[in-house]
Amino acid sequence: EAGVTQFPSHSVIEKGQTVTLRCDPISGHDNLYWYRRVMGKEIKFLLHFVKESKQDESGMPNNRFLAERTGGTYSTLKVQPAELEDSGVYFCASSQEVSPGYSYEQYFGPGTRLTVT
Amino acid sequence: QKEVEQDPGPLSVPEGAIVSLNCTYSNSAFQYFMWYRQYSRKGPELLMYTYSSGNKEDGRFTAQVDKSSKYISLFIRDSQPSDSATYLCAMNGAGNMLTFGGGTRLMVKP
Repeated sequence: EAGVTQFPSHSVIEKGQTVTLRCDPISGHDNLYWYRRVMGKEIKFLLHFVKESKQDESGMPNNRFLAERTGGTYSTLKVQPAELEDSGVYFCASSQEVSPGYSYEQYFGPGTRLTVT
Repeated sequence: QKEVEQDPGPLSVPEGAIVSLNCTYSNSAFQYFMWYRQYSRKGPELLMYTYSSGNKEDGRFTAQVDKSSKYISLFIRDSQPSDSATYLCAMNGAGNMLTFGGGTRLMVKP
């Protein structure tokens, strides 16, 4: 079974440009998450999709970040315009259908390393 | 104060040693506890997933949870050079958002 895949693996852009990251979850996983790790910090939650709906976007840093999951399959995370502090590694994770009061294991992709210069 | 504290290391041990990795947390709402292993330039790989207090064993790995002390541990027996990686603890409550520790870098020397 294929794991979570992310594209691109590395992106270098200039401040003010736009970048779109893509995540393909494990087949059949309704839940999709975005996380980010900036230099020297721990991995932090950005948002959570259940199918195509945003369940929790409390971790999104500001309105320069836009996440979508059309059709409940793959997801994109767009940063527009990018700022220097957006540099870091962006991870996507997926998990099975959530039951009330139960949390399933989250499986992570390899990440996209974003460098804003 | 961070919700999850984890010693960054590095922790250097000889091959065959027993390794103990630990995290403390402050949020009593956390119910699910995970350990991830992350190799350089790779994504976190799920190693262990536990819910209740007590021990859970999987091969050379044992996860221990003490909810009364808000303390979790991962033990690695007969450590191998291939175990050299960064180990991340993560946890969540009723929601699905994972809260991570900063990771401990482990080096197992042949």
